[in-house]
Amino acid sequence: GENVEQHPSTLSVQEGDSAVIKCTYSDSASNYFPWYKQELGKRPQLIIDIRSNVGEKKDQRIAVTLNKTAKHFSLHITETQPEDSAVYFCAASRAGGTSYGKLTFGQGTILTVHP
Amino acid sequence: EAGVVQSPRYKIIEKKQPVAFWCNPISGHNTLYWYRQNLGQGPELLIRYENEEAVDDSQLPKDRFSAERLKGVDSTLKIQPAELGDSAVYLCASSLDLGGTFIYEQYFGPGTRLTVT
Repeated sequence: GENVEQHPSTLSVQEGDSAVIKCTYSDSASNYFPWYKQELGKRPQLIIDIRSNVGEKKDQRIAVTLNKTAKHFSLHITETQPEDSAVYFCAASRAGGTSYGKLTFGQGTILTVHP
Repeated sequence: EAGVVQSPRYKIIEKKQPVAFWCNPISGHNTLYWYRQNLGQGPELLIRYENEEAVDDSQLPKDRFSAERLKGVDSTLKIQPAELGDSAVYLCASSLDLGGTFIYEQYFGPGTRLTVT
């Protein structure tokens, strides 16, 4: 089955700096890669996703890049703000078969943005 | 639009007791997922439903866990009997899947935090 590794496990930045979180996946058939933000005690919220037919996607201060050959994808947050502090999870999924739509999550990154 | 609804939000039970969690997906979403999230980890899939059919329950511990999705809308996840190691947050998610090779976004509910003492 799919295995997703996420790094770093914790990340501390100053407000205004950029933050980068990286994930690698094992199943070359995976073709959908969402990122979720989870604040303490709350539900995971989808913040951005990327599909295997594109290499980069941007939404305001958030961007995600995908390297299918190397099987890794990254989340980039620019101009970080204290409200960006949360746990971020990457995930991978594939179409087809009984595993269709199953999200395999990374271990999470605790991002702390200091004012 | 209303999001995924789950109840209860918190549950404390003694080991060997039964417990049930309820989920109401986003209106119109045909696919429903139950995930378990242990402290400090990412969610792990327990079971996936397409309408009322369980199409992936390979990670559901069937000796004590059961689930149903009658009429293809609401779903219930049950544990009987509960063990100490079942303490976790149980998350429900839903999506509108139209098949093919396109993966649709999953939206999560707030979860039920289960504590087994």
